[in-house]
Amino acid sequence: NAGVTQTPKFRVLKTGQSMTLLCAQDMNHEYMYWYRQDPGMGLRLIHYSVGEGTTAKGEVPDGYNVSRLKKQNFLLGLESAAPSQTSVYFCASSYQGRGNTIYFGEGSWLTVV
Amino acid sequence: QQQVKQSPQSLIVQKGGIPIINCAYENTAFDYFPWYQQFPGKGPALLIAIRPDVSEKKEGRFTISFNKSAKQFSLHIMDSQPGDSATYFCAARAGSARQLTFGSGTQLTVLP
Repeated sequence: NAGVTQTPKFRVLKTGQSMTLLCAQDMNHEYMYWYRQDPGMGLRLIHYSVGEGTTAKGEVPDGYNVSRLKKQNFLLGLESAAPSQTSVYFCASSYQGRGNTIYFGEGSWLTVV
Repeated sequence: QQQVKQSPQSLIVQKGGIPIINCAYENTAFDYFPWYQQFPGKGPALLIAIRPDVSEKKEGRFTISFNKSAKQFSLHIMDSQPGDSATYFCAARAGSARQLTFGSGTQLTVLP
C-alpha cells in the first residue's frame, strides 16, 4: 500500500524557474494538503483541498498555486521560484470528519539557487 | 503569529528517563490535538491524539495530558529508549478541511 506518494523527492531550481510537485494518494481521501517545513518553524500550511475541483489558501500561500483535477492527485506549482522557497514540502491527506488521521508523504526537498 | 506554541526546542535525556514536551494554544475552535513523530528524511507520522473532553490518554509508553482551562497539553514518554530519538510536533485541528496547525517541534535525543 503506497499511501501518499510525492514526486520528485529532490530538486534544485534556479531563481525564476517554474516547477510542479505531484502528490498522489491511494486511500480515496477527500481532503488533501500541502505543507512546507522550515527549521524552527514546524510545518506551515500552504494550500488545501476539500474535494476534487476545489482548493483554498492556507497560512503561507504566496508564490504557490495548486490544482486538484482528480480526487487522488494534488499538484503544487511554483511559477517563479525564489530562494525563500527553499524548503521541504510535505503532502498529506485525510478522510472527512472529526478526528480522522492525517497521513503524510515522505517529503520533497527543494533548493532554489 | 504562532497559534500553537511548543517547548522546549530540544531535549536530551538518558535511556529510561521521562521526557516531557509542552504545547499551548489560543484558538478555542481547535477540537483535536495530535502528536506527530518525525524521523530524519521521513514524513511526520501520527503518534497519539486526544480530544479536549478527555484529560489524559495513554497508548503504550506515550501519554498526553490535556488541560482545557489552561489551553495546554503535553506529551510524556515513559521509559524512553534511544529509538525514540526523533522530532516531535504537537498540532491542533480546526477549519473547513480539518487542517492541522503545528507547533515548532522538539528534537528529542535519548542517550543509551
